[in-house]
Amino acid sequence: DAGITQSPRHKVTETGTPVTLRCHQTENHRYMYWYRQDPGHGLRLIHYSYGVKDTDKGEVSDGYSVSRSKTEDFLLTLESATSSQTSVYFCAISEPPFLGGSPLHFGNGTRLTVT
Amino acid sequence: GESVGLHLPTLSVQEGDNSIINCAYSNSASDYFIWYKQESGKGPQFIIDIRSNMDKRQGQRVTVLLNKTVKHLSLQIAATQPGDSAVYFCAENRVGTYKYIFGTGTRLKVLA
Repeated sequence: DAGITQSPRHKVTETGTPVTLRCHQTENHRYMYWYRQDPGHGLRLIHYSYGVKDTDKGEVSDGYSVSRSKTEDFLLTLESATSSQTSVYFCAISEPPFLGGSPLHFGNGTRLTVT
Repeated sequence: GESVGLHLPTLSVQEGDNSIINCAYSNSASDYFIWYKQESGKGPQFIIDIRSNMDKRQGQRVTVLLNKTVKHLSLQIAATQPGDSAVYFCAENRVGTYKYIFGTGTRLKVLA
């Protein structure tokens, strides 16, 4: 699985509580991404990072924040979880996209349920 | 709007037959395409990719065909095996950008 570990694998939390998901990679890739996957939708980008402390928003970033203090770790935080954030969250890594086409490599996901 | 294979059809094939999974993309500026396999409870797994300067690329038991004229991508799996049962989806990207557009995929069921 391209050396990507997501934790926890499953999480149940209550509405209004903060939640942090962790992604750890051993590939030394600069680019890391957080996606969510919901029935009827393709994977949708939440945030991405192009280096330590360098992050940017994706298409569904509202309600989420990220941090990257080390190359290998990318954290996704839901400041105050809502039921609409119940989803499966995937972390991905890639080589720099300007290198002529770089596939994303994914972790095995975190299934988050907000009750 | 941009879309890549929004519907999730199911393709059932007999073990040993060839499978063809199709994908339509809508962004004519996309020039890099990827096929993924996703098994239940796992993350998407990279299968094969193709750049727009090619119309065919082969891997081990898989072939990707790209038709830029009609903005169509297909994945062919030779001698389909039970382990090929999964959801397959394509993704498109414009080289140099972080934006990858994913479809919802096609479920492949291999019948014994």
